[in-house]
Amino acid sequence: DSGVTQTPKHLITATGQRVTLRCSPRSGDLSVYWYQQSLDQGLQFLIQYYNGEERAKGNILERFSAQQFPDLHSELNLSSLELGDSALYFCASSAVGTRGFPETQYFGPGTRLLVL
Amino acid sequence: AQKVTQAQTEISVVEKEDVTLDCVYETRDTTYYLFWYKQPPSGELVFLIRRNSFDEQNEISGRYSWNFQKSTSSFNFTITASQVVDSAVYFCALITNGGYNKLIFGAGTRLAVHP
Repeated sequence: DSGVTQTPKHLITATGQRVTLRCSPRSGDLSVYWYQQSLDQGLQFLIQYYNGEERAKGNILERFSAQQFPDLHSELNLSSLELGDSALYFCASSAVGTRGFPETQYFGPGTRLLVL
Repeated sequence: AQKVTQAQTEISVVEKEDVTLDCVYETRDTTYYLFWYKQPPSGELVFLIRRNSFDEQNEISGRYSWNFQKSTSSFNFTITASQVVDSAVYFCALITNGGYNKLIFGAGTRLAVHP
């Protein structure tokens, strides 16, 4: 158990809908990352938050957005869903690196999204 | 550009065989970090090891060992005396100093260990 929790585990929805995925980082971790794992694209970085602020953005679609709250949990919002958004969405967290060196990212169990 | 290549898509072995999973990386940064993660059939991603570019010492942890060679830009993973529980997809990943802590993953190698 990595200490990172994600809810829900599974989500089935229809095209055009909007969903929210939730992540709670490991105790003490200030950084939260979101990744998407799909069959055609593999594991892709979406976005990083550090202590409530967006730190880095990857190949995240404009229909997707995220935020990190004062209690450090994070939510990933996916809207106007398309069939191609079906994937496993992972949240990861890490401690603050010293001297700018990145710390290890520990992953949650993922949320499996199926868009029908 | 940063890239991680895992050329082996699938490997099938019989229990107790040794198996090596290859990982080749590309980066122009002199400071970088390499990782291996395991994804068992249940789907979660489990951290196995982290290496920084200044430390080329090989590492052994039980039946697992890692060989890091900067000269060939490789970070290979060997499982000795494989077991059925080792069946999983294994991912090699890279973070570079200029990469904002973004993990760049290889495509993964699916390892099937048969009894």
